[in-house]
Amino acid sequence: NAGVTQTPKFQVLKTGQSMTLQCAQDMNHEYMSWYRQDPGMGLRLIHYSVGAGITDQGEVPNGYNVSRSTTEDFPLRLLSAAPSQTSVYFCASSYKGTDTQYFGPGTRLTVL
Amino acid sequence: EDKVVQSPLSLVVHEGDTVTLNCSYEVTNFRSLLWYKQEKKAPTFLFMLTSSGIEKKSGRLSSILDKKELFSILNITATQTGDSAVYLCAVEKSNTGKLIFGQGTTLQVKP
Repeated sequence: NAGVTQTPKFQVLKTGQSMTLQCAQDMNHEYMSWYRQDPGMGLRLIHYSVGAGITDQGEVPNGYNVSRSTTEDFPLRLLSAAPSQTSVYFCASSYKGTDTQYFGPGTRLTVL
Repeated sequence: EDKVVQSPLSLVVHEGDTVTLNCSYEVTNFRSLLWYKQEKKAPTFLFMLTSSGIEKKSGRLSSILDKKELFSILNITATQTGDSAVYLCAVEKSNTGKLIFGQGTTLQVKP
């Protein structure tokens, strides 16, 4: 199993550009989440999904969209990037909410 | 508002010392508390705690949860330089997989 994979590893955007951060898992996990990590702020939940076709907002959802058309994939979309979205983004998955979350390697995003 | 608070925010010790990291929480629909270790990459899982008073151990690391006083501690005995990392505490709400993280404690172990 590859576990949780994220692409790209690094990305630089200009303000106003759009992009999609990809996340995929091959463990047949139902639960998937996106977090951002900023210095001194720990990880903050952006959006999460408890299964294909079901998504919900986390703590800091503004400026981000998600969809979950398959169990394996949970892409995070930035429609119009802003410098405040400069951060490290982690995707995580678990079999159910009762299980350990496995994290992807992260995407370091810089918005100029 | 749900919150998870870790203390101290940073800690510097010497090899062989014992450290205790604290995590307090105020979270509705608590289901479990998790500890992660993060070393300049993705967090890696350490412990999941769901019941009060039951200590979980893994080598030199141990953790315990107090659901009455709403806190958990992570102990590391005989610290080594390889223990240097950010230690994250997170609380899971109900059965959603939704985690609320604390700010993290940065531990530096000097030789």
